[in-house]
Amino acid sequence: DAGVIQSPRHEVTEMGQEVTLRCKPISGHDYLFWYRQTMMRGLELLIYFNNNVPIDDSGMPEDRFSAKMPNASFSTLKIQPSEPRDSAVYFCASSTHGTLYEQYFGPGTRLTVT
Amino acid sequence: GENVEQHPSTLSVQEGDSAVIKCTYSDSASNYFPWYKQELGKRPQLIIDIRSNVGEKKDQRIAVTLNKTAKHFSLHITETQPEDSAVYFCAASLGQGNLIFGKGTKLSVKP
Repeated sequence: DAGVIQSPRHEVTEMGQEVTLRCKPISGHDYLFWYRQTMMRGLELLIYFNNNVPIDDSGMPEDRFSAKMPNASFSTLKIQPSEPRDSAVYFCASSTHGTLYEQYFGPGTRLTVT
Repeated sequence: GENVEQHPSTLSVQEGDSAVIKCTYSDSASNYFPWYKQELGKRPQLIIDIRSNVGEKKDQRIAVTLNKTAKHFSLHITETQPEDSAVYFCAASLGQGNLIFGKGTKLSVKP
């Protein structure tokens, strides 16, 4: 298995632009998580899905952030409009109750908003 | 909701010494406690975990202990090596699939 796949790996954009981050979870995993990591705030859970349904989005910072999971093999995290304070590494992770919730992280997307 | 506190935020040890990182959690219903290691520029990866029905677990040079009464758990690394240098995260789960992470501990092992 290729593991969790994220794209793009790096994204540089200007303030006000729309940003879309993509994630493909490990096949068979029924949980998908989006995290944001910064030096100041550490690793923050933004939202997670179970069987493609959003379970908890209380970590989504503002209405500018939205996430979708149209099917079991694909999820997006969208920021519109982007701001410099959104600059961070965004990780996607997946897991399944079959492995007692061990989360497998993707390589992350480093987002820079200028 | 669950809250996880992790200490210290930075830890520096000499190669060969032991390192201990401690975490406390707030929700007594939490039942799963993993530890993740994140090397510079890389993704977090699970190194060891413990469930609430176990008090201690070892895997070679690393061990985790859990005190449910006090609601704290610790990571112990013995005979540290330079390649142990990384950021370590503890986490807790209520068994609903999501993990609540601590803020991380940056461990530096000096040769």
